[in-house]
Amino acid sequence: QKEVEQDPGPLSVPEGAIVSLNCTYSNSAFQYFMWYRQYSRKGPELLMYTYSSGNKEDGRFTAQVDKSSKYISLFIRDSQPSDSATYLCAMSASGTGNQFYFGTGTSLTVIP
Amino acid sequence: GAGVSQSPSNKVTEKGKDVELRCDPISGHTALYWYRQSLGQGLEFLIYFQGNSAPDKSGLPSDRFSAERTGGSVSTLTIQRTQQEDSAVYLCASSFYRTITYEQYFGPGTRLTVT
Repeated sequence: QKEVEQDPGPLSVPEGAIVSLNCTYSNSAFQYFMWYRQYSRKGPELLMYTYSSGNKEDGRFTAQVDKSSKYISLFIRDSQPSDSATYLCAMSASGTGNQFYFGTGTSLTVIP
Repeated sequence: GAGVSQSPSNKVTEKGKDVELRCDPISGHTALYWYRQSLGQGLEFLIYFQGNSAPDKSGLPSDRFSAERTGGSVSTLTIQRTQQEDSAVYLCASSFYRTITYEQYFGPGTRLTVT
């Protein structure tokens, strides 16, 4: 079983829709939860991170962590064509060293 | 300021040849990571440097892979006797912090194709 599971999509939504992206994990020791956005032929860029459980909001983006269910989500409100990218979740128990585990990424297209 | 840079951006090599991939981290960043990204796969951790030291090399796929970092800055990932399964995008990331390094800044990657 993989440490982190992420539905690869692809996901296609109309502009203005609310997008929900999700990852599940198996290691209950994970405490750091990150979401990266990766445009085609570019490196990933850190969008948001959450420590432990709870919600975090940044503009149109909201990250949620449910440690009891081992499930994390990223919500994008009022989606824009510029949000079209691959979204990767990542997790870590210690937040450092070699302990970063990434999902395979979900490909999102926002149609104008 | 300048971000993480990697060179070359693309590399096509014949099976059995050696290749060297270079990463220039953001100035002042002490932590440096190498990852491999294959089609349909997540980022696979390869190696992590804190300064010039690599505390854990267990992510390197085989002894054909090696990496070094000099002067706490530039890092080189070397793959000897390349195989077709080595074809992937090799990403480098750096982080400012010494203890908690989740805030990683990635370079654009080197796309390696082994023919």
